[in-house]
Amino acid sequence: EPEVTQTPSHQVTQMGQEVILRCVPISNHLYFYWYRQILGQKVEFLVSFYNNEISEKSEIFDDQFSVERPDGSNFTLKIRSTKLEDSAMYFCASSDLLTTTGGNTEAFFGQGTRLTVV
Amino acid sequence: DQQVKQNSPSLSVQEGRISILNCDYTNSMFDYFLWYKKYPAEGPTFLISISSIKDKNEDGRFTVFLNKSAKHLSLHIVPSQPGDSAVYFCAASAPDFGNEKLTFGTGTRLTIIP
Repeated sequence: EPEVTQTPSHQVTQMGQEVILRCVPISNHLYFYWYRQILGQKVEFLVSFYNNEISEKSEIFDDQFSVERPDGSNFTLKIRSTKLEDSAMYFCASSDLLTTTGGNTEAFFGQGTRLTVV
Repeated sequence: DQQVKQNSPSLSVQEGRISILNCDYTNSMFDYFLWYKKYPAEGPTFLISISSIKDKNEDGRFTVFLNKSAKHLSLHIVPSQPGDSAVYFCAASAPDFGNEKLTFGTGTRLTIIP
């Protein structure tokens, strides 16, 4: 069964350093997302990406964050200068387009990358 | 601003009985609702969904009910099995072609007692 894969599973970084979280979405999906979950809190939307550009971003997704689809398979989230409060699980997700309704199918999530900023 | 609320942080149910997980929402623009199941150290796994044009959707042991007037949905699992023990997230999206971002509730931890 196709799945969304994320690497690394755990990343420890020093405050102020740049990190890149990587994701390989399901191959025929067209819509890509990043979510995060701070320990003990709910899963929060960060950004959605379609047709090589950001569709929507939340207020969490400030200038320190960027996303890229450098080739046909990878989808990356970069945090330029990490802060302690960026410590969280980061989930990548992808979804397809329902040709019948034009809406999306359900989003499929990766296993997550646990980011720890020290 | 909690647009999707799961007021029960935890629920314990005997194996074989029915588990009922509840979810309320405030945004009347939401038209698609999903339930995800999450095990520790894993990503959310899609379970079942319902469009706002329906009031019930069934898939095996899982049934989701939607009451639009009350802005309430529930997930029924029957019979409950030990493998159902996990955190369940309710999620919702509003119509936005090609960009159906999900708004999640805070989750309910379901424990099935053998």
